[in-house]
Amino acid sequence: GESVGLHLPTLSVQEGDNSIINCAYSNSASDYFIWYKQESGKGPQFIIDIRSNMDKRQGQRVTVLLNKTVKHLSLQIAATQPGDSAVYFCAGNYGGSQGNLIFGKGTKLSVKP
Amino acid sequence: DVKVTQSSRYLVKRTGEKVFLECVQDMDHENMFWYRQDPGLGLRLIYFSYDVKMKEKGDIPEGYSVSREKKERFSLILESASTNQTSMYLCASSRPAGGSDGYTFGSGTRLTVV
Repeated sequence: GESVGLHLPTLSVQEGDNSIINCAYSNSASDYFIWYKQESGKGPQFIIDIRSNMDKRQGQRVTVLLNKTVKHLSLQIAATQPGDSAVYFCAGNYGGSQGNLIFGKGTKLSVKP
Repeated sequence: DVKVTQSSRYLVKRTGEKVFLECVQDMDHENMFWYRQDPGLGLRLIYFSYDVKMKEKGDIPEGYSVSREKKERFSLILESASTNQTSMYLCASSRPAGGSDGYTFGSGTRLTVV
């Protein structure tokens, strides 16, 4: 079946450094991908999306890169702050008319002061 | 501020009890979803619904049922709770045909079955 997965379950970075969280996917037909952030005790929250006809999209301190050739996307967080500590999920739609998403398992980002 | 509200943050139930988890959204979304989240397993889809009175099985429907009597409310029912249903349960909603704004999630209900 289709899958979306992250490369590393955990990532530890120093405050102020840049973080890169990676994700691979298998469905070439995905129209868009979304990154979610889940803080402890909360539900996942939308961070940023990227459509499949784009290679890069920037938000506030975040950049998502999409490489369709190798079916890989990444989330880059600039100047990582303690408030960025959370689990990050990538998700892609897997076809059909309703836009259902398939989620990766998540990477837990820890920011060291 | 749009919201998906789950009625309980924490629940403790006994084995064999019938458990109701409630979810309400105020965004007039057609699609609603129930997931469970366990360490190392990520988000697993239990049931979803594209319309009132409509339901579809997800990847792990065994031991669960759902009810969608009103557009804004999607209930997850554990007919006879078991300890292996101890988990974080997340409700989500989305527009029909999806879209890159994705799902809006509730804050989750952490259920412990003893």
